[in-house]
Amino acid sequence: AQSVTQLDSQVPVFEEAPVELRCNYSSSVSVYLFWYVQYPNQGLQLLLKYLSGSTLVKGINGFEAEFNKSQTSFHLRKPSVHISDTAEYFCAVSKSGGYQKVTFGTGTKLQVIP
Amino acid sequence: SAVISQKPSRDICQRGTSLTIQCQVDSQVTMMFWYRQQPGQSLTLIATANQGSEATYESGFVIDKFPISRPNLTFSTLTVSNMSPEDSSIYLCSATDRGTRDAMNTEAFFGQGTRLTVV
Repeated sequence: AQSVTQLDSQVPVFEEAPVELRCNYSSSVSVYLFWYVQYPNQGLQLLLKYLSGSTLVKGINGFEAEFNKSQTSFHLRKPSVHISDTAEYFCAVSKSGGYQKVTFGTGTKLQVIP
Repeated sequence: SAVISQKPSRDICQRGTSLTIQCQVDSQVTMMFWYRQQPGQSLTLIATANQGSEATYESGFVIDKFPISRPNLTFSTLTVSNMSPEDSSIYLCSATDRGTRDAMNTEAFFGQGTRLTVV
């Protein structure tokens, strides 16, 4: 089975500062990795995903993540955050190959401070 | 991509009653899933809704409590039965797009969720 650990439950950061949200995964098989964002009172939206190939993945809203197989990590980064980035971010994993159920981490609440 | 609509978006229900949540996808999808997100928690998979057969439930979830239907490739329902306050959660429907062989069905799309409060 796959599992995901998001060590930081909350991350406060000042506007225009960089941010990194940490994600580590565990799996005995090849995986796909995802970051989803959930804005207050809304559903989940995919930010980016890693399937294979380049380990640096760029997503929407200026976010990017780097897959590190040796460290089993998939940290999310943004060089300069905006107030509108305030949301909860979920790292997720599934077995590779498509049509697989997704396992979510516990989430990290990003609070951007004006 | 797939657009998922859930109804109702929210409801307040009396304990002991049941609520059926509908999930409609705008295109045929191979896989549909139901998740629960309890207050302040992450998403937990309840079950995989299988078209034309019984749903596949995750550990801790049973058909008597969460009966699921999936009559075709675009629609599914989840019923929360004999509700108690502990069932107060957001329930989310998810689907993976059929896509093409090369596109791989790698992204899970989500509905807006149904916010359930049991009093």
